Parts: sequence; structure tokens; C-alpha cells
Amino acid sequence: GNSVTQMEGPVTLSEEAFLTINCTYTATGYPSLFWYVQYPGEGLQLLLKATKADDKGSNKGFEATYRKETTSFHLEKGSVQVSDSAVYFCARPPDRGYQKVTFGIGTKLQVIP
Amino acid sequence: DVKVTQSSRYLVKRTGEKVFLECVQDMDHENMFWYRQDPGLGLRLIYFSYDVKMKEKGDIPEGYSVSREKKERFSLILESASTNQTSMYLCASGVTGVPYEQYFGPGTRLTVT
Repeated sequence: GNSVTQMEGPVTLSEEAFLTINCTYTATGYPSLFWYVQYPGEGLQLLLKATKADDKGSNKGFEATYRKETTSFHLEKGSVQVSDSAVYFCARPPDRGYQKVTFGIGTKLQVIP
Repeated sequence: DVKVTQSSRYLVKRTGEKVFLECVQDMDHENMFWYRQDPGLGLRLIYFSYDVKMKEKGDIPEGYSVSREKKERFSLILESASTNQTSMYLCASGVTGVPYEQYFGPGTRLTVT
């Protein structure tokens, strides 16, 4: 168990719509969980993180709650903007050992005015 | 701010050429990583390095090698480029420890013809 499963995109929303991007994980314990964002033409950057169960990570209006009951870390935003158009990656480290991070497949979000 | 730079944003090479992709980070991070990013496949780890002259294979090392002679610099080498190595290549760096945060460069779009 060292994976994340992310909903496939693309997701197209109108400006000010509510966003949810689903992410679930498999694990033997409670790994830290991350969301990374990749804006067009750029590398990935950390958006938010949660280091233990029931934590809520937040940044730039985005939130994600670490729910161990459902092994989920869904990304949400109440009112998206055109500038939020990007690819979003759910990620986690391995159960033990190395410094590697496992990334989900990425979900492309397009916000139209 | 952490800065990770990559030597080229776009590169076009011919089949059979030897290709060098360079990555430099300015935050004294121990760990450095090379990924490739392909549509529908997300990010896949090629190699990573946890110290100078130390390296470990990632998930898809075939056809690639790496070099880390100085802490700040991590090079990816395609010994004999092939068309199936056309991809976006992303370099990242990070500090050893929890929660394995990584900092990414802007990427190199490599086309092999």
C-alpha cells in the first residue's frame, strides 16, 4: 500500500463555482498527504499539506481534510477563479524508507469566465 | 525562496544523440530527483540522489543515467536518445525528513526526432 488514486480530468468549471477533486490513498499507517499544483508552463509547487489524520491543510482558498475513515484527502475550493486553472496532483511519501514521493495522475482544471 | 533551475526549457535532439539535462538548486538540499511527466501517466520517478555521488533508481531508470558530483547539481543523461524519451522532464530537490516536501524546477520539454 503506497499509492494515491486521483479522479481523472479534465474538470471544467465556470468562475465562482465550487471545486472538488477527489483523492484516496492506500497505506498501512497514516502518511503525510499533499496537494501540489502545476500552473501552465511551470513546475509543480506545494499547495497544501496535512501531516496527520483529521488535519486540515489550507492555502490560497483551497482546503483538504485528512480523513482516515474514508482514506481520503479531497481538495476543495468554494469559489474558483480563472487563475486557478492548472493541474493538481495528490501525493504521499512511502510507508517507510526513502525520500520518494508518490504522485497521483494529476487532474487538469480549467476555469472559464 | 528555494530556487531550482533547469538548463533548458525546450530541447530538440536527434535519435541516437547523447543528451544532458542539468539541474541546480540553491538551498543546500540533500535530496534531488528527476521525473518525467507524460499525459495520462502523471509523474514517474527516473532517479534520485540523497547525497553527492549517491544515487538510486526510481521507477523507470532504463535508458537513463545520472551524475551528482556537487551537492547543488544533478544531471540526467540520455546515453542514446530515442523517440519514446520525448517528454517533459522535471527536476526537484528536498530536505531529508518528514514530510518529504519537494521543490520543482520549471521543466525541460525534450523532443527526440
